[in-house]
Amino acid sequence: AQSVTQLGSHVSVSEGALVLLRCNYSSSVPPYLFWYVQYPNQGLQLLLKYTTGATLVKGINGFEAEFKKSETSFHLTKPSAHMSDAAEYFCAVGGGTSYGKLTFGQGTILTVHP
Amino acid sequence: DAGVIQSPRHEVTEMGQEVTLRCKPISGHDYLFWYRQTMMRGLELLIYFNNNVPIDDSGMPEDRFSAKMPNASFSTLKIQPSEPRDSAVYFCASSFGQGAWEGYTFGSGTRLTVV
Repeated sequence: AQSVTQLGSHVSVSEGALVLLRCNYSSSVPPYLFWYVQYPNQGLQLLLKYTTGATLVKGINGFEAEFKKSETSFHLTKPSAHMSDAAEYFCAVGGGTSYGKLTFGQGTILTVHP
Repeated sequence: DAGVIQSPRHEVTEMGQEVTLRCKPISGHDYLFWYRQTMMRGLELLIYFNNNVPIDDSGMPEDRFSAKMPNASFSTLKIQPSEPRDSAVYFCASSFGQGAWEGYTFGSGTRLTVV
């Protein structure tokens, strides 16, 4: 079985500050890892993904994430927050016998203050 | 591509009524997923299909829920009879190939309110 833990259900930052959203996963097989963003009253949108290869993955809107196998982590970062980054972010894991199924974390709501 | 299309966007119904949610996946995608999102339980996978065949329906809450995919371009999620605790946002998502490897494309969701 696979699972995802997102540390912190709410994160608040000032505009221009570093954004760090934490995600730890559990998987008995090599994981495929994803970050999604959900803006109010919208569906989830893929931000970035790690499948194989380079462990530092760059996504849309200036976000990136680093796969650290030794720490079973896939934290999401952005050097400088913008007001438009305010949304809910979901980490997800798949792979192995999940046969196409992703397991999502509980989500982290990011608030950006002026 | 118009993306994953869900209808209706909003549905308000009375307890005991039948509710049907609809989804049109992206053309060429061979995986289709139905999720439910609530504040209390977050995102829950209800059922998913591969090439129109249900693969895993272990997330379907109870017999009141049923899902079909009669062809590659259409799926329905039906609740009969509906109950207030079914109130949630229901998302459909589709993916190509080994779905987990490619990531999903989500629809905008159907917000269901059962009164």
